[in-house]
Amino acid sequence: NAGVMQNPRHLVRRRGQEARLRCSPMKGHSHVYWYRQLPEEGLKFMVYLQKENIIDESGMPKERFSAEFPKEGPSILRIQQVVRGDSAAYFCASSQTASTGGTYEQYFGPGTRLTVT
Amino acid sequence: AQSVTQLGSHVSVSEGALVLLRCNYSSSVPPYLFWYVQYPNQGLQLLLKYTSAATLVKGINGFEAEFKKSETSFHLTKPSAHMSDAAEYFCAVSGGYQKVTFGTGTKLQVIP
Repeated sequence: NAGVMQNPRHLVRRRGQEARLRCSPMKGHSHVYWYRQLPEEGLKFMVYLQKENIIDESGMPKERFSAEFPKEGPSILRIQQVVRGDSAAYFCASSQTASTGGTYEQYFGPGTRLTVT
Repeated sequence: AQSVTQLGSHVSVSEGALVLLRCNYSSSVPPYLFWYVQYPNQGLQLLLKYTSAATLVKGINGFEAEFKKSETSFHLTKPSAHMSDAAEYFCAVSGGYQKVTFGTGTKLQVIP
């Protein structure tokens, strides 16, 4: 069973360009989460999605950032007009549906390291 | 609301010594608690989780953690450190809702 897949692993963009980060959850997982990791700052929650729905986007910057998880295909985190401060590692995680109200652990992908020049 | 505090951003231990990584949590509902490990340039891997069953939780690679409600703590321990344990460790809390809040991490250095 393949794990969570993210691509690209490394992405270089010039200021003002767009960055698209892709995440394919583990088979059977219907919940996807995106996190941003900056050096010495740990993981910061960005957004939580289910198929075709954004459940919680409280961690997303109000501008330039968007996320989707379509019925078919991977989840996409899109950053428009990137700036140097967007340089970070972006991690995707997935989990199963919590049928009993409990929390299933999240399984992480290897991350996409975005560098803005 | 929920939060996690990891005491000590860097911890150094000698090979063979006890590993103790501290985590205190805050949660308005009974929490689910997790420890993850991250090796350089990799994603996070689950070490263990507490989901209101036994308070002493055993995980992979010889790690374990004890849930202490009175102290709101979930410290991670390993009796004898190995060089391969050098990594960054994250404590995390969830309130039963899918959103998980992570601590800022503790980097473990193992000295030969």
